[in-house]
Amino acid sequence: GAVVSQHPSWVICKSGTSVKIECRSLDFQATTMFWYRQFPKQSLMLMATSNEGSKATYEQGVEKDKFLINHASLTLSTLTVTSAHPEDSSFYICSAITGLGEKLFFGSGTQLSVL
Amino acid sequence: AQSVTQLDSHVSVSEGTPVLLRCNYSSSYSPSLFWYVQHPNKGLQLLLKYTSAATLVKGINGFEAEFKKSETSFHLTKPSAHMSDAAEYFCVVSESGQLTFGSGTQLTVLP
Repeated sequence: GAVVSQHPSWVICKSGTSVKIECRSLDFQATTMFWYRQFPKQSLMLMATSNEGSKATYEQGVEKDKFLINHASLTLSTLTVTSAHPEDSSFYICSAITGLGEKLFFGSGTQLSVL
Repeated sequence: AQSVTQLDSHVSVSEGTPVLLRCNYSSSYSPSLFWYVQHPNKGLQLLLKYTSAATLVKGINGFEAEFKKSETSFHLTKPSAHMSDAAEYFCVVSESGQLTFGSGTQLTVLP
């Protein structure tokens, strides 16, 4: 079956540094990918919708200059947390839709801890 | 380690009839459990969540789910299906900050 690979699975960084998270669709082309964020025991929050070759669409309240999303190819989307701060510590997960939009697959998530 | 099994990849019901989407989980500790819905080409929308409070959880759009620890189940139900309920549904378990998704159940609602 289709697989979405998300890397890294966890990262610890210093405050003020930037962190890049990759989301790859391994055996299908994903025209649309989604990025979510989850705080402990809370539900997933959709951050942005990433479409290949165009600018990402951010949800209300999500800082686009802080959470940079690049969807440069049909198999790769990246989320860069710029100038990370402790409040950015969270679990980030991506998902990808198959070409015809018939199925959604999830990455395994990235646990970010900012010191 | 935690895991989630959605027992049916596809469910078809007639409009106005009850909906049952099954989910079983395994978890070492006390998990949080969620049901999400995905409409075509859209992101996930939270239907409901269980976080160790009442075992019967009521969500949006008339959905509810019951946490049964003895059966390790968290099935999603709705008394009467509506055409707009046609979508894919995901059961998710969260433990110690780690999420595990079920493989999804596609719900078709027939007129």
